[in-house]
Amino acid sequence: GAGVSQSPRYKVAKRGQDVALRCDPISGHVSLFWYQQALGQGPEFLTYFQNEAQLDKSGLPSDRFFAERPEGSVSTLKIQRTQQEDSAVYLCASSLVGYEQYFGPGTRLTVT
Amino acid sequence: KNQVEQSPQSLIILEGKNCTLQCNYTVSPFSNLRWYKQDTGRGPVSLTIMTFSENTKSNGRYTATLDADTKQSSLHITASQLSDSASYICVVSAKGTYKYIFGTGTRLKVLA
Repeated sequence: GAGVSQSPRYKVAKRGQDVALRCDPISGHVSLFWYQQALGQGPEFLTYFQNEAQLDKSGLPSDRFFAERPEGSVSTLKIQRTQQEDSAVYLCASSLVGYEQYFGPGTRLTVT
Repeated sequence: KNQVEQSPQSLIILEGKNCTLQCNYTVSPFSNLRWYKQDTGRGPVSLTIMTFSENTKSNGRYTATLDADTKQSSLHITASQLSDSASYICVVSAKGTYKYIFGTGTRLKVLA
């Protein structure tokens, strides 16, 4: 079936705006991860879901970042009052529990 | 200090030439090490995965080696092609955790 999809692919936000980034995981994948990838860097872990439960949110950089996966499938990463330092690519990955993570193409967020 | 360090940071080679990318890690206790290829504007795609007991693994023109004693890995690309131009990211997992720890990547450019 289809791989992990993310939308939008590109988002430009003015400083202070709220944004919502969507991830559609591979069907049947229980685990879902969000990562932040700054320019020229490797991805850094933000948060992890197993089904609808958010088991780990230790990587979220501030309380402006919020993620949800209410029905255990689609997930949304929300960033409130965006700041310039939030500019990055946000990657979503999904997997069966304990197995290989498959990554989406990412959403490139630019905060002006 | 990053737990996964890669070198070189960037590399330019001519089409048809071979190259070797390096990865040193301090992640412990070690579970497995993956090499990912990330094309510009895309999510990472897995090339190889190696566990503690594996010394070498090949995937087409890509050959990964692992020395768990010195905590070093390499990715060798043979007979490079223009399509090999990408970032190559070393990813290490610790036992008992779902988290991936990413290196900062090596940006490879293959020229005609």
